Amino acid sequence: AQTVTQSQPEMSVQEAETVTLSCTYDTSESDYYLFWYKQPPSRQMILVIRQEAYKQQNATENRFSVNFQKAAKSFSLKISDSQLGDAAMYFCAYRSGVQGAQKLVFGQGTRLTINP
Amino acid sequence: EAGVAQSPRYKIIEKRQSVAFWCNPISGHATLYWYQQILGQGPKLLIQFQNNGVVDDSQLPKDRFSAERLKGVDSTLKIQPAKLEDSAVYLCASSLDIYGQNTEAFFGQGTRLTVV
Repeated sequence: AQTVTQSQPEMSVQEAETVTLSCTYDTSESDYYLFWYKQPPSRQMILVIRQEAYKQQNATENRFSVNFQKAAKSFSLKISDSQLGDAAMYFCAYRSGVQGAQKLVFGQGTRLTINP
Repeated sequence: EAGVAQSPRYKIIEKRQSVAFWCNPISGHATLYWYQQILGQGPKLLIQFQNNGVVDDSQLPKDRFSAERLKGVDSTLKIQPAKLEDSAVYLCASSLDIYGQNTEAFFGQGTRLTVV
């Protein structure tokens, strides 16, 4: 079974600075997807960024980028120019590429605090 | 495009009572998921439907939890009887098609259940 581990329960960063959230995963599959979701106090999971395992290029979405190290099974999220609105729980998630097995497997989450 | 709708937002019940949650996925989305998120943890899949068929219910406590998705659209998750450890946020999500290229799951705002 696949597992996702986030080793940082909490992180904090000064507004406008850069922060990196860590995630590692375990799988024997070659076809899969990785995601970072943001969960504000409203509880709704919001997709931040996604990465297809077959793509070597790291995904980027505006201020958000990932460092995908497939051999090391590592998938970190970098937030540049941190804003107060970035404060939330962040979850790393894995999804198999196997048809019929596409549930999301989540890590334990990292609570990100932005200091003004 | 309307998002995933869930109701109620909050529910407080006594142990051994029953409760039901409702989810209306995004129109046209074939796959529907119910996740349980215990405080301080990442979401855990309870059940996954494709249209009105069950794809994965391996982590659903079937002695007390049940779910249905009639006509392949709306879904209801029921707990009967509830236990204290069922206190959690119940998240519903939907995705376009598990056999398609669009693998993004969209989440509702969840129902926070407190069992006293």
